[in-house]
Amino acid sequence: EVQLVESGGGLVQPGGSLRLSCAASGVTFSSYWMSWVRQAPGKGLEWVAIINQDGSEKYYVDSVKGRFTISRDNAKNSLYLQMNSLRAEDTAVYYCAREGDFDIWGQGTMVTVSS
Amino acid sequence: DVVMTQSPLSLPVTLGQPASISCRSSQSLVHSDGNTYLSWFQQRPGQSPRRLIYKVSNRDSGVPDRFSGSGSGTDFTLKISSVEAEDVGVYYCMQGTHWPPLTFGGGTKVEIK
Repeated sequence: EVQLVESGGGLVQPGGSLRLSCAASGVTFSSYWMSWVRQAPGKGLEWVAIINQDGSEKYYVDSVKGRFTISRDNAKNSLYLQMNSLRAEDTAVYYCAREGDFDIWGQGTMVTVSS
Repeated sequence: DVVMTQSPLSLPVTLGQPASISCRSSQSLVHSDGNTYLSWFQQRPGQSPRRLIYKVSNRDSGVPDRFSGSGSGTDFTLKISSVEAEDVGVYYCMQGTHWPPLTFGGGTKVEIK
C-alpha cells in the first residue's frame, strides 16, 4: 500500500523557520514528481511547490518564492519543505502529494505561525 | 494563472437524489499533448483530500461509479447519480494543464438536507 506520512509541523513565531518531511512507502519514490499542498484553517486547497524525480526542477507558488525550498532524498524515500521567514498567512495544514495530479495524499501536518 | 471557478458554493441534497457541481476555467484546459488535465477531489470532514476523477472523466480505483466527470475546454461537471451519506464533504476541481501554478477551484460543500 502506498503511504505518505508528513511530520515536522508545529508552532513557530513570525520570521521563524521550520522543516517539514514526508516519508513515502509502498512506492518507487524516485520515479515520481512530488508536491506540497496546503490548506489554511477553514479554507480551500493551495498548491505550494513541486519537484521532479531527481530534484533538478522545482517550482513554487509566487507567495512562497524565495522563502520556501522543496527538496528530496531518494535514498531515504523522503520529501522536504524548508520554510523560512514564516508569516501568519503560512498557517495551514501542509500535505505532501504524489505527482502534479495528486493521486496520493498524506495525512497532513499542521503549521501555526503566531507570536 | 488559470482561475478555477466552482459553483455552487454549497449544495444541500436529499439522500438518493442526484447532485451536480460545475467548474469553469479562465482558459481552455486542452494541453498541447491533446489531454485535458482536469481532476476532481473529495475532502470528507477531518480527512485528507482524495482524488476521484482525473483527465476529466477517468475514475480512480475504488471510486464508486455513482461519481462521474464530464466536460471539455473550459466547462466541467462532477455528477453524483445518487447521493449517499458518505458523500458529505467538500469537492474541489483542479487544473494541471497550465502550470506553474497548479490551481484549485474554491470548493463546493455537499451536505444532506
